[in-house]
Order: sequence, then structure tokens, then C-alpha cells
Amino acid sequence: DAGITQSPRHKVTETGTPVTLRCHQTENHRYMYWYRQDPGHGLRLIHYSYGVKDTDKGEVSDGYSVSRSKTEDFLLTLESATSSQTSVYFCATGGGQGINYGYTFGSGTRLTVV
Amino acid sequence: AQKITQTQPGMFVQEKEAVTLDCTYDTSDPSYGLFWYKQPSSGEMIFLIYQGSYDQQNATEGRYSLNFQKARKSANLVISASQLGDSAMYFCAMRENTGGFKTIFGAGTRLFVKA
Repeated sequence: DAGITQSPRHKVTETGTPVTLRCHQTENHRYMYWYRQDPGHGLRLIHYSYGVKDTDKGEVSDGYSVSRSKTEDFLLTLESATSSQTSVYFCATGGGQGINYGYTFGSGTRLTVV
Repeated sequence: AQKITQTQPGMFVQEKEAVTLDCTYDTSDPSYGLFWYKQPSSGEMIFLIYQGSYDQQNATEGRYSLNFQKARKSANLVISASQLGDSAMYFCAMRENTGGFKTIFGAGTRLFVKA
């Protein structure tokens, strides 16, 4: 089984609709992160979690909310999708292997808002 | 504020030659971690190498080495003996070592390895 599973892998949605992306980990990592990837910007942090029910904003959090009710699951919600939120979304986890390891990433969710 | 800069949008290298991908960073924190990630055309993100801000020696992992020059705030990735499979996007990243251990990423460098 993959350590991190993102669902769905692809989604097309209409402007103004709410959308929820799910990240599920089996690594028991404490820290979880949501990034978006856009050409020319690399990856930008949306929100992150440092434990169950403990979350905080990243640099591009406007229009997004998150929830973490269990260690394994970290949900990202676009409250009212806009075309500017068309992107590839990556979930990542950290903290399990020690300070000198990088994140473990999911496979990404390609979201298109039309 | 922390910042990562990769000034090379694209790079070409001949197979079996070495290549250096540039990365500069800015932070006021004394403790931080520097990383390189690889993203092949398939899209997954792969952790390559880590350098701690207090590490005295440059990190190495197989054909990857990180040329860490703290005073210049640079963390260049050197890939030796390039292979066709090295063609990918490469991201430099910096992680804070407090709080949420958040990581910021550069814009990336796309590497093309020529046969």
C-alpha cells in the first residue's frame, strides 16, 4: 500500500462549487501539508497540520480550509472554487523519519475549475 | 522572510557529464534544512538530498552532492555522470526547524539530459 494516498486524482468542477480533496497516510506522521503547484511558482504551502485538530495557514491560504480529525486524514476544502484555483495539489507528510529526511509526497490531484 | 531562488529555468547536459543546478536562499533563522527534490514527467515528488545548516561537510547521496556555501547562502545541487533518467524538474527547498517544520520551494529548474 502507498504511504500517502490522495483522492481524487483528477477532478473537473464548476466555478462556485465547493470541493474537498482528501489525503490519507499510513505512515503515522505527525505533520501534514497541502501544497499547490503552478508553473513558475514551484510549490506553495496552503495549510498544514501539526497534529489532530491542530492546523495553521500557509502562504496561499485564502479560499481554502482544512480539517484533520484523525492522524491519517487531512482534508482540503475549496469553499467556492474559482478558476485561479485550477492547479495540481500535493499532500505531504513529515516528521516520521527524522529531521534529515524530506517530506513524503502523495501523487497529486489535478483540479480544473471551469 | 524566507526565500528560495533558482535562476535557471532550464538546463541541458550531455549524458555522462556533471551538471550543477543553482540555488540561493535567504533566512534570518540560524537553524534550517536545505533539500533538493526531483519531479520526473510522471509528476511524483522525490526527495534527493538534505543539508543541515550546522553541518560542516557537504551532503552526498550517490551521484548527488550538495555544494553548501553558508556565507553565500547557496545550496547548489551537483549531479555527477548524468543519465537520461535524470531528465526532470528539480526543486530546491528550505525547511524551518521550528514550529510546523514548514518548507518553502524554489520555482524549479528543468534539466534535459542529451544522449
